[in-house]
Amino acid sequence: DADVTQTPRNRITKTGKRIMLECSQTKGHDRMYWYRQDPGLGLRLIYYSFDVKDINKGEISDGYSVSRQAQAKFSLSLESAIPNQTALYFCATSGLAGGETQYFGPGTRLLVL
Amino acid sequence: GQNIDQPTEMTATEGAIVQINCTYQTSGFNGLFWYQQHAGEAPTFLSYNVLDGLEEKGRFSSFLSRSKGYSYLLLKELQMKDSASYLCAVRDANRDDKIIFGKGTRLHILP
Repeated sequence: DADVTQTPRNRITKTGKRIMLECSQTKGHDRMYWYRQDPGLGLRLIYYSFDVKDINKGEISDGYSVSRQAQAKFSLSLESAIPNQTALYFCATSGLAGGETQYFGPGTRLLVL
Repeated sequence: GQNIDQPTEMTATEGAIVQINCTYQTSGFNGLFWYQQHAGEAPTFLSYNVLDGLEEKGRFSSFLSRSKGYSYLLLKELQMKDSASYLCAVRDANRDDKIIFGKGTRLHILP
């Protein structure tokens, strides 16, 4: 089984709809992240969390919110989806050690019409 | 602030060697990562450097010079499956130890 899972894998929605992307991990990591990836722009950080009680904005948090329901679960919500939120979304986790890399989920491809 | 620069695209021939460069500026350098990402898939970890020098791992090697803010990823004996994007990323101790990503280098392998 995959260590970091995301649901759904693909989603088509309409402008103005609220949607939630979910992420679960079995790695026992405290740190979790949400990124979006757009062609030519690389990975950009939306929100990150270092434990259940800790939520921090990344570089592009406007239009998004998150919830850390448990150590293993970190959800990303688009309150009112707009077309420029069409992107590939990745969840990632990491441990605390300095050399600890991030482990990515398989991604959610979102299309907002 | 933080800035990470790497070439947008590169092309190389199967069996050859290619070097992908990355330069960075950061106030709290705490390690540099290289990731491989195939189109539509998640990035996967390739290498980590925190001290100056070369780290070798099979066909892939990564080099770091902290004084120059410079790293490279060296891929030897290129295979068609190496066609992918390669992401340079830096951990910044002054920014909650977040890993900041460059925009990636798309590598095309020709037969």
